[in-house]
Amino acid sequence: GQQVMQIPQYQHVQEGEDFTTYCNSSTTLSNIQWYKQRPGGHPVFLIQLVKSGEVKKQKRLTFQFGEAKKNSSLHITATQTTDVGTYFCAGDFGNEKLTFGTGTRLTIIP
Amino acid sequence: GAVVSQHPSWVICKSGTSVKIECRSLDFQATTMFWYRQFPKQSLMLMATSNEGSKATYEQGVEKDKFLINHASLTLSTLTVTSAHPEDSSFYICSARWRGHQETQYFGPGTRLLVL
Repeated sequence: GQQVMQIPQYQHVQEGEDFTTYCNSSTTLSNIQWYKQRPGGHPVFLIQLVKSGEVKKQKRLTFQFGEAKKNSSLHITATQTTDVGTYFCAGDFGNEKLTFGTGTRLTIIP
Repeated sequence: GAVVSQHPSWVICKSGTSVKIECRSLDFQATTMFWYRQFPKQSLMLMATSNEGSKATYEQGVEKDKFLINHASLTLSTLTVTSAHPEDSSFYICSARWRGHQETQYFGPGTRLLVL
C-alpha cells in the first residue's frame, strides 16, 4: 500500500542547534504537506509542496521536496523552545486523501 | 479564515454507550470532511472521507456500522461512535476542505474520548 515513512522518530537537541526530519514515500506524490502538533494539541498546517525540487522557507524553517517527488525534508535552523512538538509530513498520492507520516517528536534542551 | 471547530473537546463515557462528535466549518463551506483517529504517541490515521449529501467512504479496517458518519450540510459532519468500548478511547480529529482550495485540509481541535 501507499506508505509515508518519517525519520527520526525522536530528536532531542540543545536550544540553538539545528533540526531536520525526513520523509519518504513508497510512490510518487502529488503533493506533500507538513504539520506541527504541539503536545496535547491538534495538527496545524505549516506548508504544502507541489513542484519537483521545490524549496520553501518560513523564517527558520526550510522545506524541500525531492526531484522525484518521493521524499521531503523539514529543516529548522537554530531551534527555540517554541519549536517543541511533533512534526508530521502528510502525502497526497493524487487521491486527495492525506497519508500521514509517523512523525518526529522534537524536544529542546534549554 | 478557514476555522474548523469540534464539539465536545473531550468526553468520558461508560462502555456500551454511544457518543456523537460534531465537526463544523465556521467560515467556509466544506465540500469534504475527513475523520482521523490518533492513539497516544502515534500518527493520524484516516478513518473515513465524508462528502456532503452522500455516504461516507471508510478506510480499510474501519467498521462503518460502529463509526457512523453523517454529513448533512456543507458546514457540519458528525461522527457517532456506537456501543463504545475502552479500545475506542482515542483522539478523534476532523478536517475540512473547501471548494477552490482542494489540496489543503483545515483541522479541528480534536475530541478526546475516554471509554470506561
